[in-house]
Amino acid sequence: KAGVTQTPRYLIKTRGQQVTLSCSPISGHRSVSWYQQTPGQGLQFLFEYFSETQRNKGNFPGRFSGRQFSNSRSEMNVSTLELGDSALYLCASSRSASGGDTQYFGPGTRLTVL
Amino acid sequence: ELKVEQNPLFLSMQEGKNYTIYCNYSTTSDRLYWYRQDPGKSLESLFVLLSNGAVKQEGRLMASLDTKARLSTLHITAAVHDLSATYFCAVDSNFGNEKLTFGTGTRLTIIP
Repeated sequence: KAGVTQTPRYLIKTRGQQVTLSCSPISGHRSVSWYQQTPGQGLQFLFEYFSETQRNKGNFPGRFSGRQFSNSRSEMNVSTLELGDSALYLCASSRSASGGDTQYFGPGTRLTVL
Repeated sequence: ELKVEQNPLFLSMQEGKNYTIYCNYSTTSDRLYWYRQDPGKSLESLFVLLSNGAVKQEGRLMASLDTKARLSTLHITAAVHDLSATYFCAVDSNFGNEKLTFGTGTRLTIIP
């Protein structure tokens, strides 16, 4: 069974640009969550999607947005990039959205903002 | 707001020794997860603990959950070099969603 895939794996952008990251969950998983990992703040929850609906959002500015498609694939977008957005962005999928399921993480997209 | 604290943050131990990583959390939850992360890699699920008193073991690692004390432990028995990694605990908010709140992580280094 294929795991969670994320593309691209690495990105270099400059301040002010925008970026779109993609996540394909494990087949049969309908819940997708996004996390940001930085050395200073650790792992922080960004948002969660289930059946194309955003069910929960973390404490991030509106520059961070996301969506989920009917095939459960998800994208997140960051507009007007700032240096502090440099991070590893991790996507996780789980079968349901009621909690208690293992979340399986993808390899991540490492974003560098110059 | 749910807070999750791990200690120690850094742990350097010799091969063959035993040690325990602690994970405390601030609000009621009976769902706790342990993950492992190798440098430059993603998170690998180790254990899912879903009730008070839950204990799970895999190889040299054993995890337990005490929901009354809001405490989980990850015990390492007879450490080997391959266990060197960063270990995270994460707590589910119990609000019927998939949001995980992670601890700060414990960077474990096993010295030969």
